Amino acid sequence: TQLLEQSPQFLSIQEGENLTVYCNSSSVFSSLQWYRQEPGEGPVLLVTVVTGGEVKKLKRLTFQFGDARKDSSLHITAAQPGDTGLYLCAGGGYQKVTFGTGTKLQVIP
Amino acid sequence: SQTIHQWPATLVQPVGSPLSLECTVEGTSNPNLYWYRQAAGRGLQLLFYSVGIGQISSEVPQNLSASRPQDRQFILSSKKLLLSDSGFYLCAWSVGRYYGYTFGSGTRLTVV
Repeated sequence: TQLLEQSPQFLSIQEGENLTVYCNSSSVFSSLQWYRQEPGEGPVLLVTVVTGGEVKKLKRLTFQFGDARKDSSLHITAAQPGDTGLYLCAGGGYQKVTFGTGTKLQVIP
Repeated sequence: SQTIHQWPATLVQPVGSPLSLECTVEGTSNPNLYWYRQAAGRGLQLLFYSVGIGQISSEVPQNLSASRPQDRQFILSSKKLLLSDSGFYLCAWSVGRYYGYTFGSGTRLTVV
């Protein structure tokens, strides 16, 4: 069974601070995705990374896929209250993905 | 454009009653379809997935079943609900492992 552990589990920061969320596994994944979910809604895909060492940037968000394709990180610069939500990583397999344990982020104005 | 519809949004059902949650996708053909359950503020547990009409793969033994009677329709069912079936149920579709999932808006099920 493939497992994805995310850390930290909870994170509460002030607006304007930087933060990094980690997603780790002992398994190799063909791709890795990050989602953000707001209460009462379904997760929304932020990014997919497929190459070991790949780095993608979306405005203030930077995503990195580990060289061995077993881990990933999400870095947010100058966090804003709108970044508040549950962040989920997901490792891609042949027909399905395995979701991480989730990181709940709260950005305080 | 592709859209996914999931209903109802909320549901309160007594223990022992049946369940039927429906999910439909528009704007794509032969998608992979998925049912997930989520505990409060946590990750997603895969319940069932389907790569084609009539093809259902079950990930965990449980009180639930799934069916795919049409290409873009996915149904989650139970004959008799248990208290432990309470949770947030999400339907999703994908066209391949590199493209990510598109999720429905979810159904909050409370079994009382």
